[in-house]
Amino acid sequence: SQTIHQWPATLVQPVGSPLSLECTVEGTSNPNLYWYRQAAGRGLQLLFYSVGIGQISSEVPQNLSASRPQDRQFILSSKKLLLSDSGFYLCACETGVGQPQHFGDGTRLSIL
Amino acid sequence: QKEVEQNSGPLSVPEGAIASLNCTYSDRGSQSFFWYRQYSGKSPELIMFIYSNGDKEDGRFTAQLNKASQYVSLLIRDSQPSDSATYLCAVTDGSARQLTFGSGTQLTVLP
Repeated sequence: SQTIHQWPATLVQPVGSPLSLECTVEGTSNPNLYWYRQAAGRGLQLLFYSVGIGQISSEVPQNLSASRPQDRQFILSSKKLLLSDSGFYLCACETGVGQPQHFGDGTRLSIL
Repeated sequence: QKEVEQNSGPLSVPEGAIASLNCTYSDRGSQSFFWYRQYSGKSPELIMFIYSNGDKEDGRFTAQLNKASQYVSLLIRDSQPSDSATYLCAVTDGSARQLTFGSGTQLTVLP
């Protein structure tokens, strides 16, 4: 089964600073990859998904972007963080359409 | 807009009882249904998935799906304090490509 690595586990950043969160997957090829954000006490909001290298779909307008430079690497970025970007960022992997998604351990991001 | 609704709880049950968690969804074309468990401060962990109408059992967990009523539930038998967590219901859209999550039900199992 696949293993999803996310880092860092926690991050504290000032408003206006850049962001780069990385997700890498082991144990599968050509996965569908997802970035979610979870605000405190809330459900998961889908931010981006990717079905292959260089293919990114965005679900909500925002100041975040995503890239997939390699088959098993998915990166979430921002040029300038906002206070509203605080949250728990989760990367998920799906091995086929309709299959369960499995999550990495997440990155807890706090913006000061 | 596709919606997945869950009672936020908190739901409290005594140890050894059956916990019943419910979820309704708005998209009649939904094809796949998942239950995740999320401990406080941790990422969601898949515990059950169901694709067809009826019941699916896995150990102490039973998922029930009724597509006509657009309803999916999770039963936890012989509840243990370690089952205390937030349970997230998730549903795919008609293309089975996107997952919509409910906001979760917080379950507390009292020793």
